[in-house]
Amino acid sequence: NAGVTQTPKFQVLKTGQSMTLQCAQDMNHNSMYWYRQDPGMGLRLIYYSASEGTTDKGEVPNGYNVSRLNKREFSLRLESAAPSQTSVYFCASSEGAPRASQHFGDGTRLSIL
Amino acid sequence: QQQVKQSPQSLIVQKGGISIINCAYENTAFDYFPWYQQFPGKGPALLIAIRPDVSEKKEGRFTISFNKSAKQFSLHIMDSQPGDSATYFCAASIVGGAGKSTFGDGTTLTVKP
Repeated sequence: NAGVTQTPKFQVLKTGQSMTLQCAQDMNHNSMYWYRQDPGMGLRLIYYSASEGTTDKGEVPNGYNVSRLNKREFSLRLESAAPSQTSVYFCASSEGAPRASQHFGDGTRLSIL
Repeated sequence: QQQVKQSPQSLIVQKGGISIINCAYENTAFDYFPWYQQFPGKGPALLIAIRPDVSEKKEGRFTISFNKSAKQFSLHIMDSQPGDSATYFCAASIVGGAGKSTFGDGTTLTVKP
């Protein structure tokens, strides 16, 4: 039972390069989320998708774009990477009401030089 | 504006002791309060959750205490074990709101043998 799968697990980019982080879930969840995790700052929501075909900005959307490709897949794109985007990125999914708990992938560790 | 404040930032407990992590929230519309446990190199995983219609929920050695009037909730880990050493996040969400969660900044727990 895979749950939430993120690829790649590690990536190093140069400033200005573009990159797409991939996420897929096999739990038939409606909602999917992208977070970044920085030391001492918890998890900050970048974008989310409440259902297939919809996406909305979260707390820190600047510099990112997302695509909800289908119910299973939700990708995060950095168009022009900046050092400030060095972080660990987590994708999560949720079945929604009545349970709002989220299932997380194991993250993508992204370094931007 | 930080809607969920978590304390302490770090906690060291002896094996067999009680670990207590506290969270306070501001938005009275929150109606679902999960706690997540995260081990190094892994994504957060749901540990236990509570709704505001109960004041306490217990699962094994883990207990959530909830005080609706004070807008506070806490995680108690009884008989703490070295295997409990991890980062713990509290969160708050509105069940009908696409399952979005607002996370605390996390508490790093170290249980000394």
